[in-house]
Amino acid sequence: EVQLLESGGGFVQPGGSLRLSCAASGFTFSSYAMSWVRQAPGKGLEWVSGISGSGGSTYYADSVKGRFTISRDNSKNTLYLQMNSLRAEDTAVYYCAKQPSAGTTSARFDPWGQGTLVTVSS
Amino acid sequence: QSVLTQPPSASGTPGQRVTISCSGSSSNIGSNNVNWYQQLPGTAPKLLIYSNDRRPSGVPDRFSASKSGTSASLAISGLQSEDEADYYCAAWDDSLNGHVVFGGGTKLTVL
Repeated sequence: EVQLLESGGGFVQPGGSLRLSCAASGFTFSSYAMSWVRQAPGKGLEWVSGISGSGGSTYYADSVKGRFTISRDNSKNTLYLQMNSLRAEDTAVYYCAKQPSAGTTSARFDPWGQGTLVTVSS
Repeated sequence: QSVLTQPPSASGTPGQRVTISCSGSSSNIGSNNVNWYQQLPGTAPKLLIYSNDRRPSGVPDRFSASKSGTSASLAISGLQSEDEADYYCAAWDDSLNGHVVFGGGTKLTVL
């Protein structure tokens, strides 16, 4: 069974940093692109970033470009999101999600993790 | 404001058929597959439809979808109370080095 388990969320002050992790199991991790999608409280879904199976290609939403860095360690079956210069508007539940192939040019996410909450506030 | 446009709400009574629209542009829906997600209250989103009109295993055939030009739609027939959820469309967008775009979501209420 494919499972994704996020961790690393928490409370941080504006301007601070946080690193999210997503532990994957049940599939050959390196063969699939992965993405982070977030959902602010009471709001809709917003794609944040994606990374190819090899890690060689990365994509970012304009709202996080230059502040967030996506990476993966295929030897540990783990996806990461390093978040710097955090702002109040980054407050959201962050989900990791598996994509259908090694390439990232897809909006098909299945499955999703349970999410981890990031709160940015002073 | 979302790149893909969905109605914020929809409703129907049990047994009815409801449709949810999703409007985009040539750089997203017009040139890439549309996927639909269902998010039940307090849970993570779940893939409902992929590649415009394909259902993952386990999704009832009451759910169907289609795409035409730069628009897509999701249809739910034989509406059930457990269908009450938020529904999102999503597509890859070829502009600005490529990125994923979501619709703003449609809250479906079963009356």
